[in-house]
Amino acid sequence: LAKTTQPISMDSYEGQEVNITCSHNNIATNDYITWYQQFPSQGPRFIIQGYKTKVTNEVASLFIPADRKSSTLSLPRVSLSDTAVYYCLVVNQTGANNLFFGTGTRLTVIP
Amino acid sequence: DAGVTQSPTHLIKTRGQQVTLRCSPKSGHDTVSWYQQALGQGPQFIFQYYEEEERQRGNFPDRFSGHQFPNYSSELNVNALLLGDSALYLCASSFQNRDRMNTEAFFGQGTRLTVV
Repeated sequence: LAKTTQPISMDSYEGQEVNITCSHNNIATNDYITWYQQFPSQGPRFIIQGYKTKVTNEVASLFIPADRKSSTLSLPRVSLSDTAVYYCLVVNQTGANNLFFGTGTRLTVIP
Repeated sequence: DAGVTQSPTHLIKTRGQQVTLRCSPKSGHDTVSWYQQALGQGPQFIFQYYEEEERQRGNFPDRFSGHQFPNYSSELNVNALLLGDSALYLCASSFQNRDRMNTEAFFGQGTRLTVV
């Protein structure tokens, strides 16, 4: 499984855009880049997934360069409720697709 | 549409005992995976069930076993509990189509197991 590297923690003020970068140098051709959000004592929640270029949904955007060795999760105008741990994963979407979680990025949004 | 449901939400067991945790997948999902999350760590993959069989297993001892029923629900059993088994146990479900492509995994709220 491709491993990922992301910052351990980040702080941001309310209303700012937050970008969390993840590196995945050993990503395989069949792997997708997937981000999850987790609040304390809750299960992770799927945020966004992409294969290449840019993906946007109502919650976030995901930017993936052509070499796919890194990706950036962008959260527009964060609020206090966005304080959580964000996990970047590379996932083979075929067959047995167990998820390998690292320690994630703990985002703290400051008033 | 109920999401992934797990029971119980909290559990306290004594070292050496056995425990069974239960999971009902999201409606329409056929694949169930179990994860263990220690405090301050990311979830660690235990095993995955598909078509009532264990399809893949993480680096966990045989004390951890599971089962998937015809209705796709699943159980996680842990025997001879150790203090180190105290953790949040998460169940995740997904669906695999005919091309063996999986949807994203949906997680339950977890079962907090405390071993004393």
